[in-house]
Amino acid sequence: EPEVTQTPSHQVTQMGQEVILRCVPISNHLYFYWYRQILGQKVEFLVSFYNNEISEKSEIFDDQFSVERPDGSNFTLKIRSTKLEDSAMYFCASGTVSAYNEQFFGPGTRLTVL
Amino acid sequence: DQQVKQNSPSLSVQEGRISILNCDYTNSMFDYFLWYKKYPAEGPTFLISISSIKDKNEDGRFTVFLNKSAKHLSLHIVPSQPGDSAVYFCAARFVFGPGTRLSVLP
Repeated sequence: EPEVTQTPSHQVTQMGQEVILRCVPISNHLYFYWYRQILGQKVEFLVSFYNNEISEKSEIFDDQFSVERPDGSNFTLKIRSTKLEDSAMYFCASGTVSAYNEQFFGPGTRLTVL
Repeated sequence: DQQVKQNSPSLSVQEGRISILNCDYTNSMFDYFLWYKKYPAEGPTFLISISSIKDKNEDGRFTVFLNKSAKHLSLHIVPSQPGDSAVYFCAARFVFGPGTRLSVLP
């Protein structure tokens, strides 16, 4: 069964460093998303991406964040200058029907900012 | 501003009994609702959804009920099994509720 994959599973970085989180969505999906979950808190939407552009983003997704689909298979989330409060699980998801329908999530990348 | 609320952080039921998980929403623009299940160290897994044009959707042991006038939905699992023990999230558009941790006791 096709699945969303994410790498790395765990990323440790120093505050102020740039990180890139990588995702390979399910191949025939058209909608792509990033969410995060800070430990003990709820899953929060960051951004949705369709047709090679951002379709929606939340208040969390500020200028420190960017997304890219560089080669038609990978979908990346870049955090330019990490802060301590960026420590969280980051989930990538993809979907096929429309932006608000069911999404298929990857296993997540745990980002730890020291 | 909690647009999707799950007021029970946890729920315990006996194996074989019915589990009922509740969700309330405030945004009347929401017209499609989803339930996800999440095990530790995994991403959420889609379970079942319902469109606002329906008041019930069933898939095997899982049934979701929607009461639009009350802005309330519920997920029924019957019979509950130990493997159903997980955190359940109600979601609408990109907004997730805080989750309810279900424990099914053997």
